[in-house]
Amino acid sequence: LAKTTQPISMDSYEGQEVNITCSHNNIATNDYITWYQQFPSQGPRFIIQGYKTKVTNEVASLFIPADRKSSTLSLPRVSLSDTAVYYCLVGDINPGRRALTFGSGTRLQVQP
Amino acid sequence: NAGVTQTPKFRILKIGQSMTLQCTQDMNHNYMYWYRQDPGMGLKLIYYSVGAGITDKGEVPNGYNVSRSTTEDFPLRLELAAPSQTSVYFCASSPIVNEQFFGPGTRLTVL
Repeated sequence: LAKTTQPISMDSYEGQEVNITCSHNNIATNDYITWYQQFPSQGPRFIIQGYKTKVTNEVASLFIPADRKSSTLSLPRVSLSDTAVYYCLVGDINPGRRALTFGSGTRLQVQP
Repeated sequence: NAGVTQTPKFRILKIGQSMTLQCTQDMNHNYMYWYRQDPGMGLKLIYYSVGAGITDKGEVPNGYNVSRSTTEDFPLRLELAAPSQTSVYFCASSPIVNEQFFGPGTRLTVL
C-alpha cells in the first residue's frame, strides 16, 4: 500500500481557497487517489477521487501531476462548515486487493 | 435508503465482557469494513470483507472477530473486552474499494 504524508494541520479564513497537499511517492500504477472529510463524532465522507490530471466536482477539485507522486485537494472559498479533518488515501480499486489505510489526516480550521 | 446503520450508538463494557457491534447496509455493496478510531487519531482497519462468506484481517484484528453471512450484515464481535478497546468503531461499505460510505459509529468504553 502506498504510504501518504499530509500536513498535520492548516488554518484558513472564510472565503479563502484552501489547498491541502498529500505526498505518495510509492504510488502504484493501479492506484487511485481518494480524499475524505470527517467532522467530529461522524464517520468520514467521500469527497473526490482521481487517477491523473484534474478532477472537479461540486465541492472540490483534485490536482494530480504527471508523476502522480503527490496530489492537491483544493477547496474553493471555504466556510466555517469546512472545518474538519481531511484524509488522503491511495490504493487499488480492483476487487480482491487489500483495503485502504487512513493516515492521521489534516485538521483544517476555518476562522471567521 | 438508510445507508449504513450501526447499533448500538454507545456502550459501556466491563473488562472481560463480550459484545457484538451490529452493522447493516442497504446499498447492495460487496465491500464492508470495520474501523476503530482512537481520540485525535486516524482510522485503523480491523477487518474487511469483499463479499458474503469472505473476510480478511486489517491492521489491528487482535481481540476481534467478524462474520459475513449475508451481503447486508457485517457484525463485529469483541471477546474478553479490554480497556485498550475503548474507541469509536465505524462500519463502512463500498461498491469499489476507494469510495466508502460510513455509518454513524459506536462509542465503546471498557472499564
